[in-house]
Amino acid sequence: QVHLQESGPGLVKPSETLSLTCTVSGGSIRDHYWSWIRQSPGKGLEWIGYIYYSGSTNSNPALKSRVTISVDTSKNQFSLRLSSVTAADTAVYYCARDHGDGGNVEYFDLWGQGTLVTVSS
Amino acid sequence: DIQMTQSPSSLPASVGDRVTITCRASQSISSWLAWYQQKPGRAPKLLIYKASSLESGVPSRFSGRGSGTEFTLTISSLQPDDFATYYCQQYSSYSRTFGQGTKVEFK
Repeated sequence: QVHLQESGPGLVKPSETLSLTCTVSGGSIRDHYWSWIRQSPGKGLEWIGYIYYSGSTNSNPALKSRVTISVDTSKNQFSLRLSSVTAADTAVYYCARDHGDGGNVEYFDLWGQGTLVTVSS
Repeated sequence: DIQMTQSPSSLPASVGDRVTITCRASQSISSWLAWYQQKPGRAPKLLIYKASSLESGVPSRFSGRGSGTEFTLTISSLQPDDFATYYCQQYSSYSRTFGQGTKVEFK
């Protein structure tokens, strides 16, 4: 059974870079697309970006300039970096498995438990 | 981005009630719509995809309908475990977007 687990600092200072990693266990990271999604009281659920094991990636146009998503197939992990954070980036960050068909990304059929990241000095 | 609007935001209900939640898209998304259930402190859980297809393991009291810009999620007979927040999500565009949520709460 595939399991996703987010890890990373729970507190980040304004203007710094948020870094999170998602570890995929019980299955291969090569089998699917993988996404980052966040949830804040102010903006609800927001898709951040996705990656494939090949390194192919795309992100939300609203966040694109600040988002970097990478993959490490040897560790079965993928990671998120969000630069120049502000208080508005405070949220619960989820990693999720992207159900895709023929290269099209669709819905999210498996989620990690989520990790709260607070942006504060 | 495609905007998704759910109604109502809050839905007081009782066990046994038939409950319907509506989701509207700002442009046609064909049937590329999913529904999720979220309980406090938990990640969202997939219920329905492609507007009306039930995810494996989801009780048959959940059903989805619609296409184009208007969609519904119906719970035929509300159970105690169903009090939660429900979200729709479009995947017509690679830049997926969610509705703001509908909280089904005790009347």
